Amino acid sequence: DGGITQSPKYLFRKEGQNVTLSCEQNLNHDAMYWYRQDPGQGLRLIYYSQIVNDFQKGDIAEGYSVSREKKESFPLTVTSAQKNPTAFYLCASTPRGHREETQYFGPGTRLLVL
Amino acid sequence: GNSVTQMEGPVTLSEEAFLTINCTYTATGYPSLFWYVQYPGEGLQLLLKATKADDKGSNKGFEATYRKETTSFHLEKGSVQVSDSAVYFCAYASGGSYIPTFGRGTSLIVHP
Repeated sequence: DGGITQSPKYLFRKEGQNVTLSCEQNLNHDAMYWYRQDPGQGLRLIYYSQIVNDFQKGDIAEGYSVSREKKESFPLTVTSAQKNPTAFYLCASTPRGHREETQYFGPGTRLLVL
Repeated sequence: GNSVTQMEGPVTLSEEAFLTINCTYTATGYPSLFWYVQYPGEGLQLLLKATKADDKGSNKGFEATYRKETTSFHLEKGSVQVSDSAVYFCAYASGGSYIPTFGRGTSLIVHP
């Protein structure tokens, strides 16, 4: 079955540490997205990519970085510059990045700070 | 700026009750409109969508009609079940940006 996988399900970060969240899709989608979800705040866009080797900042990119070296993969690094990283992180993809397309979401990674 | 406003939750209903979750948006042009559902501990999944004015999206007994004149896309279901308990997100994507804007979500709790 095609879909999006995210790992790990839970991730713990120590003070000053960078951590990387994995996102892989086998849907052959061009566009991929990272969102942060906090209670009562809906989804906020961190980064998105419409094509390999190209990505754009979203609304809350500070303290995060991404890469898009392969079509299937869009890992997110939460750097030590992100002072409040505790949240639920969701990866999504769409076929081409058109406004009428459905977003396909992964199961999410919950990041907690020790 | 552009935004989506959903009614605040939680919405608490008894099984077989009628459900309405209001959603209004502010956007120019003719956006595509979506309802997504999130079950506890999971990602979002599409519930239904409509891409032009007066279209009705429907799925699993849920319906929503794209009302351009009132910029609304209210979600309805005639008879809810306990298994419908989840968080529901309204979203739109306008022509200027294909990235959807999400509402804050409305939690639905259905009691037996």
